Amino acid sequence: EPEVTQTPSHQVTQMGQEVILRCVPISNHLYFYWYRQILGQKVEFLVSFYNNEISEKSEIFDDQFSVERPDGSNFTLKIRSTKLEDSAMYFCATQREVAGGPSDEQYFGPGTRLTVT
Amino acid sequence: LAKTTQPISMDSYEGQEVNITCSHNNIATNDYITWYQQFPSQGPRFIIQGYKTKVTNEVASLFIPADRKSSTLSLPRVSLSDTAVYYCLVGDYNNDMRFGAGTRLTVKP
Repeated sequence: EPEVTQTPSHQVTQMGQEVILRCVPISNHLYFYWYRQILGQKVEFLVSFYNNEISEKSEIFDDQFSVERPDGSNFTLKIRSTKLEDSAMYFCATQREVAGGPSDEQYFGPGTRLTVT
Repeated sequence: LAKTTQPISMDSYEGQEVNITCSHNNIATNDYITWYQQFPSQGPRFIIQGYKTKVTNEVASLFIPADRKSSTLSLPRVSLSDTAVYYCLVGDYNNDMRFGAGTRLTVKP
């Protein structure tokens, strides 16, 4: 069964550094998402991406965050200057298109654990 | 986006049927109801989605009454491996998913 993959599985970085989290979507999927989950808390929506542009973003997704699909395959989340509170598990999710819209199921990757020290 | 309310936790025993109810009083006409499962340190996994009445797949059933203000996820004959957090989400196909706190199900031997 096809899977969403994410790299790295764990990243440790110092406060103020830039990080790029990578996601490889399932090949025929066209809708892409980033979520985060702080340890012990709920999954939080960050951003959705379709047709090479952001569809929707949450209040968490401020100017420190950006997303892109640089090579038509990888989908990346960049945090420009990390803060301690950015420490969390970051999940990528992808979704295929059916009849002009997204299908019913989002497929989540295994996540990247980001630790900011 | 419709707000959802679920029990924070539930306990069950192996072999029992588990029903988790979710309230969504302000569900909109275009909204679907979707349930996800999450194991520790893993991404959420889709279980089932429905709009009205009853939907069944190989792992669960989803019961939705006529007023659609609530829904019940039914897991038949749970096993220890069903211990997880279960999330109820409400939104239309074009709405991005906003997770609540979910229901932590613990299955005991």
